[in-house]
Amino acid sequence: QKEVEQNSGPLSVPEGAIASLNCTYSDRGSQSFFWYRQYSGKSPELIMSIYSNGDKEDGRFTAQLNKASQYVSLLIRDSQPSDSATYLCASELTGGGNKLTFGTGTQLKVEL
Amino acid sequence: GAVVSQHPSRVICKSGTSVKIECRSLDFQATTMFWYRQFPKKSLMLMATSNEGSKATYEQGVEKDKFLINHASLTLSTLTVTSAHPEDSSFYICSADPSGNEQFFGPGTRLTVL
Repeated sequence: QKEVEQNSGPLSVPEGAIASLNCTYSDRGSQSFFWYRQYSGKSPELIMSIYSNGDKEDGRFTAQLNKASQYVSLLIRDSQPSDSATYLCASELTGGGNKLTFGTGTQLKVEL
Repeated sequence: GAVVSQHPSRVICKSGTSVKIECRSLDFQATTMFWYRQFPKKSLMLMATSNEGSKATYEQGVEKDKFLINHASLTLSTLTVTSAHPEDSSFYICSADPSGNEQFFGPGTRLTVL
């Protein structure tokens, strides 16, 4: 069964700190990976996509991918209270018709 | 760009009635749209892939006769929950991919069946 695993949290970090969110996937055929942010009662919002091993930075966000370890992470620098949300990791199989498999999400709380 | 809208945002209906949810891509054309369902504190589960001009592809365990999908144009897909029951109460979200690389989600429709 194709799975994406995340720690449900909550992960609590103080304001200004770095939040580190982790995700593992089971299917080695996965080629594309995405991080979505979901506020309570709202739909997911795309934050980052990553397709190659290594790091990809966009503002305060850095996505990291290690295909050998089947591991994806998201770092949020200078965390703000507005970053408090659930972060969903998703993978897409090559040739999978653009279908996404989502993890259960990690709840992040940024405390003042 | 890449804006997806849904209507209605919230609907309450009686058990046994049917509910139609619309998903529109506002600034791009989408030959494929996806319908998800999310129960409280759970992740998104893909229900079906909506294909413009052809039949939808349903995921295993999703009843195609209960969840009718029509993708009549390049900017509109509809999901009809037929004979809704309380266990169908959920957050229904559609998505579309303008470039084949990244899916963008609609704001979701919260369905409550009494």
